[in-house]
Amino acid sequence: DTEVTQTPKHLVMGMTNKKSLKCEQHMGHRAMYWYKQKAKKPPELMFVYSYEKLSINESVPSRFSPECPNSSLLNLHLHALQPEDSALYLCASSSPGRGGGYTFGSGTRLTVV
Amino acid sequence: AQKVTQAQTEISVVEKEDVTLDCVYETRDTTYYLFWYKQPPSGELVFLIRRNSFDEQNEISGRYSWNFQKSTSSFNFTITASQVVDSAVYFCALSALSNSGYALNFGKGTSLLVTP
Repeated sequence: DTEVTQTPKHLVMGMTNKKSLKCEQHMGHRAMYWYKQKAKKPPELMFVYSYEKLSINESVPSRFSPECPNSSLLNLHLHALQPEDSALYLCASSSPGRGGGYTFGSGTRLTVV
Repeated sequence: AQKVTQAQTEISVVEKEDVTLDCVYETRDTTYYLFWYKQPPSGELVFLIRRNSFDEQNEISGRYSWNFQKSTSSFNFTITASQVVDSAVYFCALSALSNSGYALNFGKGTSLLVTP
């Protein structure tokens, strides 16, 4: 299995809702990432997990809460989002360090209304 | 500081033309990795190539070729005999230890439109 699976593919949520994005990989990768991509912009790093521990938080607002329950799963919990948080959220995995091969999921397209 | 510059925002070519996408990078690390990704309108990021800083060999894969030159800190990407299916946004990216522990740092992307 050489894929990163993200669910859901599309999500519309209100500003008072709580929702979660899920990401799963079975390639044995021990580093997992969340990126946010606005329209016509490059992906921007949000969080890095290495060996199930949060290693990097790129000053992301607390309304985004990551979680790594095990080495195959990565969640992004969303609460009290703003319309400007609407974006494509991409999950990726890799072997930690050394610029190992990255595999990206197809993303969750989030719309906050 | 790490930085990836893709100066070409948009390129439009006619099918069968050759096109080169430029990428210039900055890093203070001696060990680093460079990548090219393709992002079609559907949104997924498609991996095209990875090079490490110690391997300056150019690479050819079918209609794609890459020119890595450390002397000019450039990693340019050429598509030969372009096709409509090549239309997409192409991102150059850098990975290095001092940049968020090898997380990918993307350039702003070049939008390529190939018309029949």
